[in-house]
Amino acid sequence: LAKTTQPISMDSYEGQEVNITCSHNNIATNDYITWYQQFPSQGPRFIIQGYKTKVTNEVASLFIPADRKSSTLSLPRVSLSDTAVYYCLVGAVNYGGSQGNLIFGKGTKLSVKP
Amino acid sequence: GAGVSQSPRYKVAKRGQDVALRCDPISGHVSLFWYQQALGQGPEFLTYFQNEAQLDKSGLPSDRFFAERPEGSVSTLKIQRTQQEDSAVYLCASGLAGVETQYFGPGTRLLVL
Repeated sequence: LAKTTQPISMDSYEGQEVNITCSHNNIATNDYITWYQQFPSQGPRFIIQGYKTKVTNEVASLFIPADRKSSTLSLPRVSLSDTAVYYCLVGAVNYGGSQGNLIFGKGTKLSVKP
Repeated sequence: GAGVSQSPRYKVAKRGQDVALRCDPISGHVSLFWYQQALGQGPEFLTYFQNEAQLDKSGLPSDRFFAERPEGSVSTLKIQRTQQEDSAVYLCASGLAGVETQYFGPGTRLLVL
């Protein structure tokens, strides 16, 4: 199973770019990498997903090197409202198959200061 | 549209009591997942459904945990003879078939006394 490792916490200031890296040395060929954001007393919320190289959407970018043993979530110009816990999830589900390898990391608590 | 809903939001149970947690996924979502999240930890996978078929239940911690999705829509996670270590937030997520975004509900916070 792909075990994930993330920094426990990070601090930043408003307007800065934040990069959070997740290590997943045992990632499998079929595994995707997904990042979620979670606020207290809420369920995780999807941020971005990728398989390899770079993915960008309106809120973040995801960088995945060729060996896929790590991934970096990049949040441009963070604001106070980005203070949350960020999880990387490595795994896959296949229609009609059985994949019990959905592994969340322990999360990175991002604190954005004014 | 409506997101994933879970009920109850909070549940207090006495040790040994049976509990049932409900998940209403987003309409049309084929995949449904249950996770357990202990305080300060990331979600831990419990089980996965594709329509009504439970394709993976490898994360269920014991035979006291049972999940069903009989009509491929609403799902129920049942915990029999609850123990204090079952206290956690139970999260439900749904998604379209295949490798896709999971949409999470707000969770049910279970406290076993």
